[in-house]
Amino acid sequence: GNSVTQMEGPVTLSEEAFLTINCTYTATGYPSLFWYVQYPGEGLQLLLKATKADDKGSNKGFEATYRKETTSFHLEKGSVQVSDSAVYFCALILRSNQFYFGTGTSLTVIP
Amino acid sequence: DVKVTQSSRYLVKRTGEKVFLECVQDMDHENMFWYRQDPGLGLRLIYFSYDVKMKEKGDIPEGYSVSREKKERFSLILESASTNQTSMYLCASSLRTLSYNEQFFGPGTRLTVL
Repeated sequence: GNSVTQMEGPVTLSEEAFLTINCTYTATGYPSLFWYVQYPGEGLQLLLKATKADDKGSNKGFEATYRKETTSFHLEKGSVQVSDSAVYFCALILRSNQFYFGTGTSLTVIP
Repeated sequence: DVKVTQSSRYLVKRTGEKVFLECVQDMDHENMFWYRQDPGLGLRLIYFSYDVKMKEKGDIPEGYSVSREKKERFSLILESASTNQTSMYLCASSLRTLSYNEQFFGPGTRLTVL
């Protein structure tokens, strides 16, 4: 079946540290891949996306590359800030109504 | 600014009550979704709708029903609330096209059933 697996949290980092949150997927067909972010008390917001293999999505210093050979879409940021503290969700979509989310990874950045 | 709104941020109900959660989007989206979010389980799809008066079951429809009488509004109904329905409920909407469809989320309703 189709699914998304992302690294378990919680993750705690010091400000300016390097961040990686791993995400791998299983899908029939050719999915588009997303990272969503959920700040405390809010709904999910789209952070970045990639629609085909080798595409790189980027936003607010975050990046993720669609790797078809390893079925991965790892999220990275070179220098995290306290304001990046949130829950991050990896997701894939196959067709208009088929959206699959990972379980979320909680990130806390300490000053 | 595009927006998905939900009727309540916090709701407390008693076991056996009928509960209505309302969601409205102003983006003229065809698709609308209801998820519940629980720690360690991520988002699970309850129901979705791809058009007015149309609905399809998601992964966990038991104990829930939905209504889509107007394009902009999608309601989630708990016919007889139970304590295991205590959760965060998220509504989302998206366009219906052949390409990928970003989902736009509301702020969520945190429901507590006592």
